[in-house]
Amino acid sequence: TQLLEQSPQFLSIQEGENLTVYCNSSSVFSSLQWYRQEPGEGPVLLVTVVTGGEVKKLKRLTFQFGDARKDSSLHITAAQPGDTGLYLCAGGNTGTASKLTFGTGTRLQVTL
Amino acid sequence: GAVVSQHPSWVICKSGTSVKIECRSLDFQATTMFWYRQFPKQSLMLMATSNEGSKATYEQGVEKDKFLINHASLTLSTLTVTSAHPEDSSFYICSAALAGGTDTQYFGPGTRLTVL
Repeated sequence: TQLLEQSPQFLSIQEGENLTVYCNSSSVFSSLQWYRQEPGEGPVLLVTVVTGGEVKKLKRLTFQFGDARKDSSLHITAAQPGDTGLYLCAGGNTGTASKLTFGTGTRLQVTL
Repeated sequence: GAVVSQHPSWVICKSGTSVKIECRSLDFQATTMFWYRQFPKQSLMLMATSNEGSKATYEQGVEKDKFLINHASLTLSTLTVTSAHPEDSSFYICSAALAGGTDTQYFGPGTRLTVL
């Protein structure tokens, strides 16, 4: 069974601070996706990374896929209250009909 | 594009009754749809993978006779929770993968089920 552990589980920071969320596994994935979910809603895809070592930037968010494709990180610069939510990483494997393994989740709260 | 809807968005039912949840891909065809369950403050747990025109594949520990899945067309999958009990109360989320696409899944807004 493939497992994805996220850390930290919960993070409460003030507006303007930087933070990094980690997603780690002992398994190799062909792709790694990051989602953000707000209460009572479905997850919304932020990014997909597929190449070991790949770095993608989405405004203040920077995503990195580990060289061995076993881990990933999400860095947020100058966090804003609108960044509050549950962040989920999810690993996919080619040939498993798009089946994803979701991480344990990181709940982020950004206060004024 | 790639919008997925769920109906109903929330439902309250009595213990012992059955509840049907619909998942529709509105602007694309989805060969594969997935059903997840999410308990409060937890991550998504995959329940089953649904392929159009064939039987669903259930994850270990998920009772296929209790959670009936039908994927009759490329745009619709349904999950029926039979003989619901309070412990079935949860947030049920579906997702759809583009036919012939990559690992990307597009998620519905979820259905909150409360069993009294």
